[in-house]
Amino acid sequence: GAVVSQHPSRVICKSGTSVKIECRSLDFQATTMFWYRQFPKQSLMLMATSNEGSKATYEQGVEKDKFLINHASLTLSTLTVTSAHPEDSSFYICSASPIIAGGYNEQFFGPGTRLTVL
Amino acid sequence: GNSVTQMEGPVTLSEEAFLTINCTYTATGYPSLFWYVQYPGEGLQLLLKATKADDKGSNKGFEATYRKETTSFHLEKGSVQVSDSAVYFCALNMEYGNKLVFGAGTILRVKS
Repeated sequence: GAVVSQHPSRVICKSGTSVKIECRSLDFQATTMFWYRQFPKQSLMLMATSNEGSKATYEQGVEKDKFLINHASLTLSTLTVTSAHPEDSSFYICSASPIIAGGYNEQFFGPGTRLTVL
Repeated sequence: GNSVTQMEGPVTLSEEAFLTINCTYTATGYPSLFWYVQYPGEGLQLLLKATKADDKGSNKGFEATYRKETTSFHLEKGSVQVSDSAVYFCALNMEYGNKLVFGAGTILRVKS
């Protein structure tokens, strides 16, 4: 149980185009989903926290208009990288927390999406 | 602010060697502590966790004890295998919070 999928696993796009990455919780409902960015040989950087039905909360330094996050349902969140540039190339990972009353809400991670912008 | 510091890698060991990856934290309040593992090309998997002082998390032969007095959560394994080669992340989460704060990650390479 507690499986999170991401699609696509890899994407290559031209500079200036937009790319959408999907994150799905397959066997549970997630009140909260998180989007991380991971640079080579570096740790995960939290980009934003999204709650179903409300606007995402972005971390300091993350451009809201650049990285659009939609959390339309309890099992799906999307990250759209708009007008992508080579510096946006990275490994993007999502995680999801199930609905649990009280206590720590564990995060389950997706397998990641490798974005390469040419 | 809250932060996690891990020993720098890469750590290279021979099969069946003893493993220690150091992790210390700084936090206001009482965090829960975690170790995640990332295999090549994959996302993160929770390896073990501890939610209060003196708790020991364990899984797949790995162990870590939550030491409040030294603000540490060192990861240990008595006998590593080649299949343990991965990146290991120490992380914390504040009580009833959702945000994970990660350390920089430590690459482990196990040679046969």
